[in-house]
Amino acid sequence: EVQLVQSGAEVKKPGATVIISCKVSGYTFTDYYIYWVQQAPGKGLQWMGLVDPEDGETIYADPFKGRVTIAADTSTDTSYLELSSLSSVDTALYYCATHSGQVLSAFDVWGQGTMVTVSS
Amino acid sequence: QSALTQPASVSGSPGQSITISCTGPSGDVGPYDYVSWYQQHPGKAPQLIIYDVINRPSGISDRFSGSRSGNTASLTISGLQAEDEAVYYCNSYTGSSWVFGRGTKLTVL
Repeated sequence: EVQLVQSGAEVKKPGATVIISCKVSGYTFTDYYIYWVQQAPGKGLQWMGLVDPEDGETIYADPFKGRVTIAADTSTDTSYLELSSLSSVDTALYYCATHSGQVLSAFDVWGQGTMVTVSS
Repeated sequence: QSALTQPASVSGSPGQSITISCTGPSGDVGPYDYVSWYQQHPGKAPQLIIYDVINRPSGISDRFSGSRSGNTASLTISGLQAEDEAVYYCNSYTGSSWVFGRGTKLTVL
Protein backbone atom coordinates (compact mmCIF):
# COMPACT_ATOMS: atom_id res chain seq x y z
CA GLU A 1 0.00 0.00 0.00
CA VAL A 2 1.34 3.39 -1.00
CA GLN A 3 1.57 5.72 1.99
CA LEU A 4 2.79 9.25 2.52
CA VAL A 5 3.60 10.35 6.06
CA GLN A 6 4.31 14.01 6.66
CA SER A 7 6.16 15.76 9.44
CA GLY A 8 4.38 17.50 12.28
CA ALA A 9 2.91 20.96 12.67
CA GLU A 10 5.21 23.99 12.63
CA VAL A 11 4.98 27.47 14.12
CA LYS A 12 7.26 30.04 12.54
CA LYS A 13 7.89 33.76 12.83
CA PRO A 14 7.52 36.08 9.84
CA GLY A 15 10.59 36.03 7.64
CA ALA A 16 11.59 32.55 8.69
CA THR A 17 11.95 29.42 6.59
CA VAL A 18 10.04 26.18 7.07
CA ILE A 19 10.95 22.71 5.84
CA ILE A 20 8.30 19.98 5.70
CA SER A 21 9.01 16.34 4.96
CA CYS A 22 6.97 13.64 3.25
CA LYS A 23 8.19 10.07 3.65
CA VAL A 24 6.88 7.54 1.17
CA SER A 25 6.46 3.78 1.46
CA GLY A 26 4.85 0.97 -0.50
CA TYR A 27 6.46 1.63 -3.87
CA THR A 28 9.73 2.52 -5.56
CA PHE A 29 10.31 6.17 -4.69
CA THR A 30 11.77 7.05 -8.08
CA ASP A 31 8.77 5.71 -10.01
CA TYR A 32 6.40 8.67 -9.48
CA TYR A 33 6.49 12.42 -9.06
CA ILE A 34 5.79 13.96 -5.65
CA TYR A 35 3.44 16.94 -5.71
CA TRP A 36 2.83 19.62 -3.06
CA VAL A 37 -0.46 21.42 -2.47
CA GLN A 38 -1.28 24.36 -0.20
CA GLN A 39 -4.62 24.93 1.53
CA ALA A 40 -5.08 28.11 3.56
CA PRO A 41 -7.66 27.95 6.38
CA GLY A 42 -11.16 27.88 4.90
CA LYS A 43 -9.74 28.20 1.38
CA GLY A 44 -9.25 26.00 -1.65
CA LEU A 45 -6.40 23.86 -2.93
CA GLN A 46 -3.45 25.46 -4.66
CA TRP A 47 -0.90 23.40 -6.57
CA MET A 48 2.62 24.47 -5.58
CA GLY A 49 4.92 22.26 -7.57
CA LEU A 50 6.46 18.86 -8.07
CA VAL A 51 9.69 16.93 -7.97
CA ASP A 52 10.77 13.96 -10.05
CA PRO A 53 12.68 11.83 -7.53
CA GLU A 54 14.49 10.03 -10.34
CA ASP A 55 16.51 13.06 -11.43
CA GLY A 56 15.50 15.81 -9.00
CA GLU A 57 13.87 17.91 -11.71
CA THR A 58 11.31 20.36 -10.37
CA ILE A 59 8.41 22.47 -11.64
CA TYR A 60 6.99 25.29 -9.54
CA ALA A 61 3.72 27.19 -9.79
CA ASP A 62 4.19 30.86 -10.61
CA PRO A 63 2.90 32.22 -7.25
CA PHE A 64 5.61 30.33 -5.40
CA LYS A 65 8.60 30.69 -7.70
CA GLY A 66 11.58 32.18 -5.94
CA ARG A 67 10.36 31.20 -2.45
CA VAL A 68 9.80 27.48 -2.69
CA THR A 69 12.20 24.59 -3.08
CA ILE A 70 11.04 21.01 -3.49
CA ALA A 71 13.55 18.21 -3.24
CA ALA A 72 13.73 14.43 -3.08
CA ASP A 73 16.18 12.32 -1.09
CA THR A 74 16.40 8.86 -2.61
CA SER A 75 18.46 7.56 0.32
CA THR A 76 15.51 8.04 2.67
CA ASP A 77 12.57 7.97 0.23
CA THR A 78 11.58 11.40 1.45
CA SER A 79 10.50 14.57 -0.30
CA TYR A 80 10.98 18.01 1.23
CA LEU A 81 9.14 21.29 0.80
CA GLU A 82 11.07 24.41 1.80
CA LEU A 83 9.24 27.74 1.91
CA SER A 84 11.17 30.88 2.73
CA SER A 85 10.38 34.50 3.67
CA LEU A 86 7.26 33.37 5.48
CA SER A 87 4.39 35.77 6.10
CA SER A 88 0.89 35.38 7.49
CA VAL A 89 -0.44 34.43 4.06
CA ASP A 90 1.63 31.25 4.24
CA THR A 91 -0.34 30.01 7.24
CA ALA A 92 -1.86 26.92 5.71
CA LEU A 93 -2.09 23.17 5.56
CA TYR A 94 0.46 21.66 3.20
CA TYR A 95 -0.12 18.30 1.53
CA CYS A 96 2.17 16.04 -0.43
CA ALA A 97 0.59 13.71 -2.99
CA THR A 98 1.57 11.07 -5.51
CA HIS A 99 0.29 8.18 -7.58
CA SER A 100 -0.68 4.70 -6.49
CA GLY A 101 0.21 3.06 -9.78
CA GLN A 102 -3.41 2.58 -10.76
CA VAL A 103 -3.66 6.23 -11.75
CA LEU A 104 -0.72 8.05 -13.30
CA SER A 105 -2.36 11.33 -14.30
CA ALA A 106 -3.93 12.52 -11.03
CA PHE A 107 -3.16 12.65 -7.33
CA ASP A 108 -4.68 9.54 -5.82
CA VAL A 109 -2.50 9.18 -2.74
CA TRP A 110 -2.22 12.05 -0.23
CA GLY A 111 -0.29 12.65 2.94
CA GLN A 112 -2.14 13.63 6.10
CA GLY A 113 -1.14 17.28 5.76
CA THR A 114 1.20 19.50 7.78
CA MET A 115 -0.10 22.68 9.38
CA VAL A 116 2.23 25.68 9.22
CA THR A 117 1.33 28.70 11.32
CA VAL A 118 3.17 31.97 10.77
CA SER A 119 2.81 34.29 13.74
CA SER A 120 4.92 36.86 15.53
CA GLN B 1 -2.09 30.05 -13.77
CA SER B 2 -5.52 31.35 -12.74
CA ALA B 3 -7.73 28.97 -10.81
CA LEU B 4 -10.38 27.14 -12.78
CA THR B 5 -13.91 28.50 -12.38
CA GLN B 6 -16.43 26.49 -10.36
CA PRO B 7 -19.71 27.52 -8.78
CA ALA B 8 -19.21 28.39 -5.12
CA SER B 9 -22.07 26.17 -4.00
CA VAL B 10 -24.69 23.71 -5.17
CA SER B 11 -27.38 21.85 -3.31
CA GLY B 12 -29.74 18.96 -3.81
CA SER B 13 -32.07 16.66 -1.94
CA PRO B 14 -31.32 13.01 -1.24
CA GLY B 15 -31.88 10.91 -4.33
CA GLN B 16 -31.55 13.79 -6.73
CA SER B 17 -28.70 14.45 -9.17
CA ILE B 18 -26.47 17.50 -9.29
CA THR B 19 -23.80 18.69 -11.70
CA ILE B 20 -20.76 20.82 -10.93
CA SER B 21 -19.04 22.64 -13.77
CA CYS B 22 -15.37 23.52 -14.15
CA THR B 23 -14.27 26.04 -16.75
CA GLY B 24 -10.87 27.35 -17.64
CA PRO B 25 -9.02 29.21 -20.35
CA SER B 26 -8.77 27.28 -23.58
CA GLY B 27 -5.26 26.24 -22.66
CA ASP B 28 -6.34 24.47 -19.49
CA VAL B 29 -9.44 22.30 -19.47
CA GLY B 30 -9.86 21.96 -23.23
CA PRO B 31 -6.90 20.28 -24.92
CA TYR B 32 -5.73 17.83 -22.28
CA ASP B 33 -7.37 14.66 -20.98
CA TYR B 34 -5.86 15.09 -17.52
CA VAL B 35 -8.91 16.54 -15.79
CA SER B 36 -9.61 15.16 -12.34
CA TRP B 37 -12.05 15.74 -9.49
CA TYR B 38 -11.50 15.55 -5.74
CA GLN B 39 -13.87 15.29 -2.81
CA GLN B 40 -12.85 16.83 0.50
CA HIS B 41 -14.69 16.39 3.77
CA PRO B 42 -13.94 18.77 6.67
CA GLY B 43 -10.64 17.99 8.34
CA LYS B 44 -9.72 15.35 5.77
CA ALA B 45 -7.28 15.16 2.89
CA PRO B 46 -8.78 15.36 -0.60
CA GLN B 47 -9.83 12.11 -2.25
CA LEU B 48 -9.63 11.46 -5.98
CA ILE B 49 -13.03 10.54 -7.42
CA ILE B 50 -12.60 11.11 -11.18
CA TYR B 51 -9.47 11.13 -13.35
CA ASP B 52 -8.77 11.54 -17.05
CA VAL B 53 -12.11 13.38 -17.42
CA ILE B 54 -14.35 10.31 -17.12
CA ASN B 55 -12.61 7.51 -15.20
CA ARG B 56 -13.30 6.42 -11.62
CA PRO B 57 -10.58 4.97 -9.40
CA SER B 58 -11.37 1.58 -7.95
CA GLY B 59 -13.62 1.82 -4.93
CA ILE B 60 -15.37 4.99 -6.04
CA SER B 61 -19.14 4.70 -6.42
CA ASP B 62 -20.59 4.73 -9.93
CA ARG B 63 -22.90 7.49 -8.72
CA PHE B 64 -19.99 9.79 -9.58
CA SER B 65 -19.39 10.52 -13.25
CA GLY B 66 -17.33 12.98 -15.25
CA SER B 67 -17.66 14.54 -18.66
CA ARG B 68 -16.32 17.39 -20.75
CA SER B 69 -17.70 19.61 -23.48
CA GLY B 70 -15.27 22.01 -25.07
CA ASN B 71 -13.57 23.98 -22.36
CA THR B 72 -15.91 22.90 -19.56
CA ALA B 73 -15.57 19.76 -17.50
CA SER B 74 -18.42 18.53 -15.34
CA LEU B 75 -18.91 16.26 -12.35
CA THR B 76 -22.31 14.66 -11.90
CA ILE B 77 -23.40 12.98 -8.70
CA SER B 78 -26.55 10.92 -9.00
CA GLY B 79 -28.69 9.50 -6.20
CA LEU B 80 -27.43 12.09 -3.72
CA GLN B 81 -26.67 10.82 -0.25
CA ALA B 82 -25.99 12.69 2.96
CA GLU B 83 -22.36 11.51 2.90
CA ASP B 84 -21.82 13.32 -0.41
CA GLU B 85 -21.94 16.65 1.41
CA ALA B 86 -18.39 17.96 0.95
CA VAL B 87 -16.31 20.38 -1.09
CA TYR B 88 -15.44 19.29 -4.65
CA TYR B 89 -12.43 20.51 -6.60
CA CYS B 90 -11.58 20.07 -10.25
CA ASN B 91 -7.98 19.95 -11.42
CA SER B 92 -6.41 20.14 -14.85
CA TYR B 93 -3.01 19.77 -16.41
CA THR B 94 -2.11 22.95 -18.30
CA GLY B 95 0.74 21.63 -20.36
CA SER B 96 3.42 22.76 -17.92
CA SER B 97 1.79 22.57 -14.51
CA TRP B 98 -1.47 21.71 -12.76
CA VAL B 99 -4.23 24.04 -11.58
CA PHE B 100 -7.17 23.50 -9.23
CA GLY B 101 -10.62 25.01 -9.31
CA ARG B 102 -11.73 27.22 -6.43
CA GLY B 103 -13.97 24.48 -5.05
CA THR B 104 -17.72 23.91 -4.86
CA LYS B 105 -19.53 23.29 -1.58
CA LEU B 106 -22.21 20.65 -2.00
CA THR B 107 -25.04 20.76 0.49
CA VAL B 108 -27.43 17.83 0.74
CA LEU B 109 -30.71 19.26 1.92
